[in-house]
Amino acid sequence: GAVVSQHPSWVICKSGTSVKIECRSLDFQATTMFWYRQFPKQSLMLMATSNEGSKATYEQGVEKDKFLINHASLTLSTLTVTSAHPEDSSFYICSARDNDRGLNSPLHFGNGTRLTVT
Amino acid sequence: AQKVTQAQTEISVVEKEDVTLDCVYETRDTTYYLFWYKQPPSGELVFLIRRNSFDEQNEISGRYSWNFQKSTSSFNFTITASQVVDSAVYFCALSEAGFAGNQFYFGTGTSLTVIP
Repeated sequence: GAVVSQHPSWVICKSGTSVKIECRSLDFQATTMFWYRQFPKQSLMLMATSNEGSKATYEQGVEKDKFLINHASLTLSTLTVTSAHPEDSSFYICSARDNDRGLNSPLHFGNGTRLTVT
Repeated sequence: AQKVTQAQTEISVVEKEDVTLDCVYETRDTTYYLFWYKQPPSGELVFLIRRNSFDEQNEISGRYSWNFQKSTSSFNFTITASQVVDSAVYFCALSEAGFAGNQFYFGTGTSLTVIP
């Protein structure tokens, strides 16, 4: 089955530092990947749509300069939380859709990254 | 307006009981897709099922079954003879075919606890 690998699983960083999270599709190519944020006991909130070879599309209210997204290849998207602050502490989860399975095929999710900013 | 509504925030059942998780959606598209995902305590989201709007046939997979009714815009999920391992948060999601970005709309999730 389609596998999405997300790294790291958890990270603790100091306020003011930047953190990079990687999302890889291991056995399929994904032109589009999605980044979500999930607060405790809440649903997934779409942050941005990552498009291979072009700029990411950010949802309203999401700071693009704070959450930098790079989708350099068909199997890798990265999310960098720049100058992290405690309020950025959250569970970040990426997802990808297999290019070969059509636009309405299921999203495959990574295992998520729990970010704690001290 | 919320496109996907999961009215049940938390449900607790005793092991071996049946439980139904409700999902109501809203869309103006004639072609759309509905999904259920499971999120166990470890955090990853596990795909359970996809149903397109033209297929109202109910589906059964082991202890899981899904009831899709377009007339009531509902896509309910039933777990038969629940087990402790079923404890998780379950999300219903909608994808509208006509939307260029093909975004998924997730419900707020239902947290299921199966008590041994």
